[in-house]
Amino acid sequence: EAGVTQFPSHSVIEKGQTVTLRCDPISGHDNLYWYRRVMGKEIKFLLHFVKESKQDESGMPNNRFLAERTGGTYSTLKVQPAELEDSGVYFCASSHVGSSDTQYFGPGTRLTVL
Amino acid sequence: DAKTTQPPSMDCAEGRAANLPCNHSTISGNEYVYWYRQIHSQGPQYIIHGLKNNETNEMASLIITEDRKSSTLILPHATLRDTAVYYCIVRVRGTSYGKLTFGQGTILTVHP
Repeated sequence: EAGVTQFPSHSVIEKGQTVTLRCDPISGHDNLYWYRRVMGKEIKFLLHFVKESKQDESGMPNNRFLAERTGGTYSTLKVQPAELEDSGVYFCASSHVGSSDTQYFGPGTRLTVL
Repeated sequence: DAKTTQPPSMDCAEGRAANLPCNHSTISGNEYVYWYRQIHSQGPQYIIHGLKNNETNEMASLIITEDRKSSTLILPHATLRDTAVYYCIVRVRGTSYGKLTFGQGTILTVHP
């Protein structure tokens, strides 16, 4: 069974540009989460989808971040316009809905904003 | 979710058992204890979880005290590849409570 995949693995952009990160969850997992780790800080929750619906977006830092999960399969996280403080590693995780809801993480996307 | 306290770092000799402690004195009755680890900058890797009984899987064992205020993750025969940051997280299970709250974790260094 394939794990959570993320694309790209690395992205380097200039301040003010737009970047879109993609996450493909484990097949059959309706829960999808985004987290990020900025330099020297702890891993922080961003938002949680159940299928295509946003269950919790309390961790989204501001309105420059837009997450979508059309069709309830893969998800995208767009940062527009990117700022220097957005640099970090963005992780995606997925899990089943229900009692067996252990989250499995992808390898992450390292975003560098210059 | 309840707050957890872990030592910032620990060392272990290769081949020996690594015992990583975690305090969660304010844990609620419906909160589980989860352990994850992060090797280098890879994505966090799930290790094990439990509610009140001790648990064992192919990676590790989890010992939870009777009052559930603390737990210990045991890697029975640590290898160099077990060097990582280990996170103890307490969390209610179920879709509505989805997010994991990561702390600083314990940096485990396994040396030859």
